[in-house]
Amino acid sequence: NAGVMQNPRHLVRRRGQEARLRCSPMKGHSHVYWYRQLPEEGLKFMVYLQKENIIDESGMPKERFSAEFPKEGPSILRIQQVVRGDSAAYFCASSPRGGQIGFGEQFFGPGTRLTVL
Amino acid sequence: AQSVTQLDSHVSVSEGTPVLLRCNYSSSYSPSLFWYVQHPNKGLQLLLKYTSAATLVKGINGFEAEFKKSETSFHLTKPSAHMSDAAEYFCVVSVLPNAGNNRKLIWGLGTSLAVNP
Repeated sequence: NAGVMQNPRHLVRRRGQEARLRCSPMKGHSHVYWYRQLPEEGLKFMVYLQKENIIDESGMPKERFSAEFPKEGPSILRIQQVVRGDSAAYFCASSPRGGQIGFGEQFFGPGTRLTVL
Repeated sequence: AQSVTQLDSHVSVSEGTPVLLRCNYSSSYSPSLFWYVQHPNKGLQLLLKYTSAATLVKGINGFEAEFKKSETSFHLTKPSAHMSDAAEYFCVVSVLPNAGNNRKLIWGLGTSLAVNP
């Protein structure tokens, strides 16, 4: 059973470009979470999605950031018009259940390291 | 406000000696607590979790942690360090920020464990 897959592992973008980060959850998992880890900081929750639904996006910046988890295919975290401050490691996690239990059963991917030049 | 403090950013031990990674938390509610490990260039792996059952929690790879409510601590220990334990360790608290069902994971900044031969 493959774990959570994220690609690309490393992504370099110039200021103003778009970044698309992909996350394939573990087989049988329908809940996906995105986190951001800035240099010298802990992980910060961004968004929690189920298939075709955004459940909680309270950690997402109000502009330029969006996330989706379509019925088919991976979850996508999209950052438009990237700025240097977006440089970070972005981690995706998945769980088989959601809500209170789901937050205790998350399996993490290896992360995507975004560098904005 | 809920928070997690990992008291040491770096810990260095010799192989075969005990490991102690310290974590204090602040939570208005009965928390769920976790320790995650991150090996270089790999995803985050759950070591163990406390969810209001036994206060002494045993995890994988010989690690354990004790929940002490009076001290608001959840320190991670291992009797004898192995070279493969060298990694970044994160203490995490799961809290209910409001009346809704969506818990949040609050992450510590991490403790880097070095194991010397």
